[in-house]
Amino acid sequence: DVKVTQSSRYLVKRTGEKVFLECVQDMDHENMFWYRQDPGLGLRLIYFSYDVKMKEKGDIPEGYSVSREKKERFSLILESASTNQTSMYLCASSFRGPYEQYFGPGTRLTVT
Amino acid sequence: QQQVKQSPQSLIVQKGGISIINCAYENTAFDYFPWYQQFPGKGPALLIAIRPDVSEKKEGRFTISFNKSAKQFSLHIMDSQPGDSATYFCAASMKGAQKLVFGQGTRLTINP
Repeated sequence: DVKVTQSSRYLVKRTGEKVFLECVQDMDHENMFWYRQDPGLGLRLIYFSYDVKMKEKGDIPEGYSVSREKKERFSLILESASTNQTSMYLCASSFRGPYEQYFGPGTRLTVT
Repeated sequence: QQQVKQSPQSLIVQKGGISIINCAYENTAFDYFPWYQQFPGKGPALLIAIRPDVSEKKEGRFTISFNKSAKQFSLHIMDSQPGDSATYFCAASMKGAQKLVFGQGTRLTINP
């Protein structure tokens, strides 16, 4: 059974703080993704990675960076959190390509 | 051209009725069209997917109908049940692409 875990379910941070969101998958998947989910906007891709140390920008990368030092772990970094980054953040993984993505439960981040 | 437009934003259906959610796209290079189902507090999960070489795919009570000429695809849920109440997302990807483009989501409520 594929499992994608995210480090926190809820997180409250202050404006300007550096924020780390971590995601771990246990199925040796090649691809990992970070999305943010906002009402009425669906899921928007922030960054994805198709191999260790490889990353590609998604549709809304501004204000975010990522790190993938190990195959099973993909981190999302908010260098200086802002209130407009308050959102639900979802991590996903897939064996290869965009197909059959497995999602974690999400982290609801509030920036005050 | 990278967008997938989903409607309606919310839908209420009586138990036993048919739920229909629609998606439209512009990019004719899209060749994979999945639907994801998300329950409250959970990440989305793949429900059913179709490729453009077929016009319909059925899995239990869930059917995708695909109209290539109209660049539209839809999800039909037959005999809708309260347990189907969830948010549904359509998505699309291009051949060779590593990522999905998601629709805006539809919150479906099935009244008992």
